[in-house]
Amino acid sequence: AQKVTQAQTEISVVEKEDVTLDCVYETRDTTYYLFWYKQPPSGELVFLIRRNSFDEQNEISGRYSWNFQKSTSSFNFTITASQVVDSAVYFCALRAGEKLTFGTGTRLTIIP
Amino acid sequence: GAGVSQSPSNKVTEKGKDVELRCDPISGHTALYWYRQSLGQGLEFLIYFQGNSAPDKSGLPSDRFSAERTGGSVSTLTIQRTQQEDSAVYLCASSLDFGRAVGGYTFGSGTRLTVV
Repeated sequence: AQKVTQAQTEISVVEKEDVTLDCVYETRDTTYYLFWYKQPPSGELVFLIRRNSFDEQNEISGRYSWNFQKSTSSFNFTITASQVVDSAVYFCALRAGEKLTFGTGTRLTIIP
Repeated sequence: GAGVSQSPSNKVTEKGKDVELRCDPISGHTALYWYRQSLGQGLEFLIYFQGNSAPDKSGLPSDRFSAERTGGSVSTLTIQRTQQEDSAVYLCASSLDFGRAVGGYTFGSGTRLTVV
């Protein structure tokens, strides 16, 4: 069985602060894929990143960065210099085998 | 089309009626998923189609729920004898054969179902 845990239900930070969203996963598969999705108030899920289990290299894309650590089964997401437009619910997801399993999401509110 | 299209975008139905929700995946995408998102909740897996293989129905919550995918493209999720607890946003996602895909799954905008 696979499981994704996003322990932070809600986070609020003041604009321009950095914020890290935690994601811990469980799987017995040696090959798996991890994702982050953003769900703004409009409701549509927006794909942010995919990482493969055999590639632990961290990634930076603009103000976004991801830290993948197999030793702790974590795939954390950091937003640097947050902006109001970053306010959304963020989901971490795991694909092991055929099924994509989502965490329960973290609601991020950026306070202007 | 350019994205995953779902219809209707909103559906209000009376308890006990049947509803059909439609998903048009991106052309050429062989994998198709249905998820359900209740208010303020995460995404609950319902069913998965991959090419011509038998679908993975392990997430369907009851036998009132069924889904089919015709010609490997359009999918319809049917809920019979709807109940108030079926009220949720139903999301469809598609992707290429995962071995060839470099991105993620593309989600539609969802169908918001309200059972009154």
